This record gives sequence, C-alpha cells and structure tokens, in this order.
Amino acid sequence: EAGVAQSPRYKIIEKRQSVAFWCNPISGHATLYWYQQILGQGPKLLIQFQNNGVVDDSQLPKDRFSAERLKGVDSTLKIQPAKLEDSAVYLCASSLTGGQPQHFGDGTRLSIL
Amino acid sequence: KQEVTQIPAALSVPEGENLVLNCSFTDSAIYNLQWFRQDPGKGLTSLLLIQSSQREQTSGRLNASLDKSSGRSTLYIAASQPGDSATYLCAVRFGGGQNFVFGPGTRLSVLP
Repeated sequence: EAGVAQSPRYKIIEKRQSVAFWCNPISGHATLYWYQQILGQGPKLLIQFQNNGVVDDSQLPKDRFSAERLKGVDSTLKIQPAKLEDSAVYLCASSLTGGQPQHFGDGTRLSIL
Repeated sequence: KQEVTQIPAALSVPEGENLVLNCSFTDSAIYNLQWFRQDPGKGLTSLLLIQSSQREQTSGRLNASLDKSSGRSTLYIAASQPGDSATYLCAVRFGGGQNFVFGPGTRLSVLP
C-alpha cells in the first residue's frame, strides 16, 4: 500500500512570506493530522481532520496558520505570514479513524530566513 | 497538564547490548500508548501499540511494557544492532482524547 505522500520535502523562505504544504493520505484513511516538529522535540499536533471536518485545531495558531481538506482526501497547510519560530518539520499522518495507529509521511522541512 | 517525558535524551551503546528506553506520563487515565522510531530526515514509523488493558507487547527484538499506575512505559531492545540507531519516541493517547501527546524522544546510537 502506498504511504502518506508530502510535498515539498524542503522549503526555504524569508520571514513574512507565505508557504503551503500538501499531503495525500493513505487511501481509505478518514483521519488526517498535521504536526509541527521543532528540532529536538516531539511532534505537536496542529490540526486533526475527520473526513473533511475539523476535529481538533486547538493548537493551531489561527492568526497565521490555516488548513483545509475540502474533499476529505488530500490536505493543504498554509502559513501566512511566516515567522522565524515557524522553522520546523511539518509532518502529515493519517489513520483509518481517530485513535487508530497513525502512519506518517516523511515531512516538509521549513527554514525561515 | 498532560505531559510525556523520556529519559535519557540520548544513549550510546556498543553493538549486541540489551537496552531499555523509558517513557513517563503525567495522567494514568490513558487509552493507549505507542512507540515510534524516527530516522534522520524521515517521518515516524510505528513500532508497538499497547492498549490500556495490556501490560506488554512484543515484536521481534522489541518488547514494550506499560504500568499505568506508575505512569511509565519501557521499550526493551534485545541484542542491539547498528541499524537500530534512530530516535525513539513515545506517544500517549490520554483518556477522553483522540490525539497522541508525544515525548521529546531518545536518540539512540549503536556502535559497531
């Protein structure tokens, strides 16, 4: 089975610019997660989707971050405008449903100059 | 606040040694606990998932145990190999939630 696909793998932007990440989950997985992993730390959940609805976005900085999963399949995460502290790896994961084992993509490494 | 900690932060052992990684969590009311492996520049690979009703899970050379009352889990790796070198993360799904809270990880180096 194909895994979780993410693009791009790397992105370098200047602060105050905008950036978008894309994720395609495993086929048939209803739940999709976006995590932020800062160097030396464990992943922190930003947002969880169940199909095309948001289950949890309590840790998403909504003044600059947005995410959507319009058709309940692939998803995009956007940052606008970016700050230096947004430098991190952004991981996407999917599971059959909430609470089930999660499968992760390789992530997008974002560097803010 | 529900938190997950892991000790040690880094560990270096010679090949062939048996080793134990530790995970502690602040709330004993958990739904399940999962151990992951992360290689440099990669995402997370699930190793073992322990339900709250279980005491341990085994997969090959890996054994994970769970003691809810003390808020601890251990990951035991037998006969370590250089290919085991990676960061090992513990994630806890606390009761009432659907999401995992991750620990910071233990960076393991197995020297040939």
